[in-house]
Amino acid sequence: DAGITQSPRHKVTETGTPVTLRCHQTENHRYMYWYRQDPGHGLRLIHYSYGVKDTDKGEVSDGYSVSRSKTEDFLLTLESATSSQTSVYFCAISPNAAGGGETQYFGPGTRLLVL
Amino acid sequence: DQQVKQNSPSLSVQEGRISILNCDYTNSMFDYFLWYKKYPAEGPTFLISISSIKDKNEDGRFTVFLNKSAKHLSLHIVPSQPGDSAVYFCAAKSGGSEKLVFGKGMKLTVNP
Repeated sequence: DAGITQSPRHKVTETGTPVTLRCHQTENHRYMYWYRQDPGHGLRLIHYSYGVKDTDKGEVSDGYSVSRSKTEDFLLTLESATSSQTSVYFCAISPNAAGGGETQYFGPGTRLLVL
Repeated sequence: DQQVKQNSPSLSVQEGRISILNCDYTNSMFDYFLWYKKYPAEGPTFLISISSIKDKNEDGRFTVFLNKSAKHLSLHIVPSQPGDSAVYFCAAKSGGSEKLVFGKGMKLTVNP
């Protein structure tokens, strides 16, 4: 199994509070991704990183920001959590661009409930 | 507009029989396709992939077929086992992109 951990694994928070989720890898992979999984929507990309301090938006980036100051850590921040951000969040890593013989490896997920 | 579609939300099959999971895509630039399996409370795990230069890729009980003209791929599991019960996601990417586009997933139940 790829060395990916996510913290916290579960979190309950209130609307309007800031929340930071952490993804940590021990594989020294270049690419890191944040997804959310919701019923009826599958996995949707929030943000991704292609190197330290290099990030870009995915399809559902509104309300989220990310930072990557070290190769091994990728942080996802909800600046002011809303109930629509209640979801399961997955981090993924990849040594190269997804596909073309490489694939993404997923972490165990963080279940976030915004009340 | 959904670029990767898994139109059937669920499938139930008997142990030992074949499971066929379907996936359609709309973006003709996609050239690499993957299947992931997901158990409850776990992250998705990579299952099998296929490049657009092939029309079939096989790995043990799992075979993926690609029909580029129809923009359709399917995953065959033979024989199906109860441990195969999970949600299966189809994903696709276009050349040079760092991003995967996922379908909504399909829940497979294999009954003993």
